[in-house]
Amino acid sequence: EAGVAQSPRYKIIEKRQSVAFWCNPISGHATLYWYQQILGQGPKLLIQFQNNGVVDDSQLPKDRFSAERLKGVDSTLKIQPAKLEDSAVYLCASSLEGFGYTFGSGTRLTVV
Amino acid sequence: QKEVEQNSGPLSVPEGAIASLNCTYSDRVSQSFFWYRQYSGKSPELIMSIYSNGDKEDGRFTAQLNKASQYVSLLIRDSQPSDSATYLCAVTNSGGSNYKLTFGKGTLLTVNP
Repeated sequence: EAGVAQSPRYKIIEKRQSVAFWCNPISGHATLYWYQQILGQGPKLLIQFQNNGVVDDSQLPKDRFSAERLKGVDSTLKIQPAKLEDSAVYLCASSLEGFGYTFGSGTRLTVV
Repeated sequence: QKEVEQNSGPLSVPEGAIASLNCTYSDRVSQSFFWYRQYSGKSPELIMSIYSNGDKEDGRFTAQLNKASQYVSLLIRDSQPSDSATYLCAVTNSGGSNYKLTFGKGTLLTVNP
């Protein structure tokens, strides 16, 4: 079974620029999550999709972050404009009926 | 604010010893509990899940849950250098699938040869 695919693996941008991350979950996984992991901290949920609908985006900074999951498969997370404090690893995960997530390899964002 | 607390470590143990990792959580309605292992520069990997009070064993790993004390732990027996990683405790208040996880900051474990 193919895992959760994410791209790019690394991104360096200047503050106030925009950036987008892509995620393709495991085939058949209806639920997709985006987590932000700042260095030295545990992952924090940004947004949860069930198929192409948003289940929870309570911790998404909506003034600068947006996410979509068209057709209920792959997803894009965008930051515009980026701030220095957005430097983190952005993890995508998917799950099916059952227990535990499968995380992708993440995108490491550095904002300079 | 629902919180999950872990000692950040580092926890250092000699090879072959038992490593004990602890986690407390604030939300009394939490139902499901997970331990993830995260190697440096890698994504978290699920190693144990536990849902009811008591112990759950899987190979060298034992998860322990005490809901009355809001405490969950992970024991690693016969620790190996390959166990050196950050261990993340995660909880959810959902008993079903497709749930939001709240993570602790993680405990860095170092196993010395």
